[in-house]
Amino acid sequence: DAKTTQPTSMDCAEGRAANLPCNHSTISGNEYVYWYRQIHSQGPQYIIHGLKNNETNEMASLIITEDRKSSTLILPHATLRDTAVYYCIVRVDNAGNMLTFGGGTRLMVKP
Amino acid sequence: DAGVIQSPRHEVTEMGQEVTLRCKPISGHNSLFWYRQTMMRGLELLIYFNNNVPIDDSGMPEDRFSAKMPNASFSTLKIQPSEPRDSAVYFCASSTRTFNEQFFGPGTRLTVL
Repeated sequence: DAKTTQPTSMDCAEGRAANLPCNHSTISGNEYVYWYRQIHSQGPQYIIHGLKNNETNEMASLIITEDRKSSTLILPHATLRDTAVYYCIVRVDNAGNMLTFGGGTRLMVKP
Repeated sequence: DAGVIQSPRHEVTEMGQEVTLRCKPISGHNSLFWYRQTMMRGLELLIYFNNNVPIDDSGMPEDRFSAKMPNASFSTLKIQPSEPRDSAVYFCASSTRTFNEQFFGPGTRLTVL
């Protein structure tokens, strides 16, 4: 699986949009971009995934650049409960469903 | 659905003792994963099963670690003998092969003294 690069930490004001970047410059054509988050003392939680089109669900939006070398996870109206570590993962779909977690971005939402 | 269930939630044991961690995946899920999380190494995949069969155990650190899945609704991760460096949070996750979302349990915090 391709490696990803994420900032170690970010801050966001409550109620504002949180934009979390991820670089995956060596991504292959058949690799998807997945985002998970881990709130303190809990197991990781799936957020969203995509291949090349932008995706949106009830939790977030995923914007993937046209060359697919980077992506941005957007939490449109961050709340204090969104404070967590966010992991960007690239993976060939159905490759045993394995996930390889990197260091992630620690997002702190502040009042 | 109750989600992925893990037991115990906390385990404190002494070096050399056997430790058994348990996991009940979500009903209908046919893939099960064991992860370990430490401050130093982050979240690591130890082993995963598809349809109760171990597919990849390359993440299992040593022969002291073993995992079984005797049926679709139960899996164990055993450490024998345990060592202080095994102290970590161990997560179990399950998924279907149709959907790629993995559902994680609450984890077992293991402390080996």
